[in-house]
Amino acid sequence: GENVEQHPSTLSVQEGDSAVIKCTYSDSASNYFPWYKQELGKGPQLIIDIRSNVGEKKDQRIAVTLNKTAKHFSLHITETQPEDSAVYFCAADLMDSSYKLIFGSGTRLLVRP
Amino acid sequence: ETGVTQTPRHLVMGMTNKKSLKCEQHLGHNAMYWYKQSAKKPLELMFVYNFKEQTENNSVPSRFSPECPNSSHLFLHLHTLQPEDSALYLCASSQAGSNVMNTEAFFGQGTRLTVV
Repeated sequence: GENVEQHPSTLSVQEGDSAVIKCTYSDSASNYFPWYKQELGKGPQLIIDIRSNVGEKKDQRIAVTLNKTAKHFSLHITETQPEDSAVYFCAADLMDSSYKLIFGSGTRLLVRP
Repeated sequence: ETGVTQTPRHLVMGMTNKKSLKCEQHLGHNAMYWYKQSAKKPLELMFVYNFKEQTENNSVPSRFSPECPNSSHLFLHLHTLQPEDSALYLCASSQAGSNVMNTEAFFGQGTRLTVV
């Protein structure tokens, strides 16, 4: 079946450094690629998304890049802060029998003060 | 608050019990989803409902039984579960379809289920 691979599974950075998380997807028909942040005891929350008609999108310290030819997309967090520590999930949309999101396995980000 | 509310937040049940998880969305969305989140695994899609119709059952055992009485409410009925079913069960909703621009999924906070 269709899947999304995410790397790394854990990432530890010093406060102020940048963090990069990478995902690849298998369905060439995917058009929508959201990133979710999940804090302890909470459900995942959208932090940024990108659609297939653009290659890059930025929102303050967060940016996402998309390479449709290679079928991979990345999350970039600059000037990391301790409150960025969480689990981050990438996802890609899939429309077969219904519309749904397929998620990567998650990256646990730890920002050391 | 994401507009998606799940109850209860925590549930402990025995293997012979019957319980139900509830999800309610106040966003006017037309699609609702159940996901299972286990440790060190990707979010696993269980069921999809579009306009109250179940459009996907992702090979989920029959001890999990979903119900969608209207487009705002979604239930997951549980019976004779196994300890390996212990996980965080997440409900989500979105505005989705082939003729609309697909939008983000909004998640509830989940129900932490422990089967003893």
